[in-house]
Amino acid sequence: DVKVTQSSRYLVKRTGEKVFLECVQDMDHENMFWYRQDPGLGLRLIYFSYDVKMKEKGDIPEGYSVSREKKERFSLILESASTNQTSMYLCASGLTGNTEAFFGQGTRLTVV
Amino acid sequence: AQRVTQPEKLLSVFKGAPVELKCNYSYSGSPELFWYVQYSRQRLQLLLRHISRESIKGFTADLNKGETSFHLKKPFAQEEDSAMYYCALRGDYKLSFGAGTTVTVRA
Repeated sequence: DVKVTQSSRYLVKRTGEKVFLECVQDMDHENMFWYRQDPGLGLRLIYFSYDVKMKEKGDIPEGYSVSREKKERFSLILESASTNQTSMYLCASGLTGNTEAFFGQGTRLTVV
Repeated sequence: AQRVTQPEKLLSVFKGAPVELKCNYSYSGSPELFWYVQYSRQRLQLLLRHISRESIKGFTADLNKGETSFHLKKPFAQEEDSAMYYCALRGDYKLSFGAGTTVTVRA
């Protein structure tokens, strides 16, 4: 049973803080993804990684960075949190190719 | 660039009625297309993928390359089908989603 685990379900941070969202998967997947999910906008890809230490910008990378030092862990970093980054963040992992992506339970981040 | 468009944000149908969720895509290569579903308070999960050509929970989806569409259909909706549905496209390593369609099935 594939497990994708996000470190927090709910997080409240102050404007300007540096925020770390962690994601761990236990199925040796090469690919990992970070999305934000907003009503009416769906899932928007922030960053993805297809191998250790590799990262690619998604569609909305501004204000975010990522780190993938180990295959199983993919971290999303908000360098200086702003209120417009209040959202649900979803992590996913999967193998390369026409295969299923597995999602974490999500982290609801509120920036005040 | 790859893009997924789901034109309907909300869809409300009666139990037993047919339901169709529209999905159009743009991608220069050969697309890999999926439908994902998110039930209330559950994780996003795969419903079906075009390459499998299978019916899952009574749902089917046909890839039409000429119309660049991958619409999801079910002939008889059930109340347990109420959920958020996302169409997704895999291009190289990137996995892109549409804006989603919320389906409500009324008794």
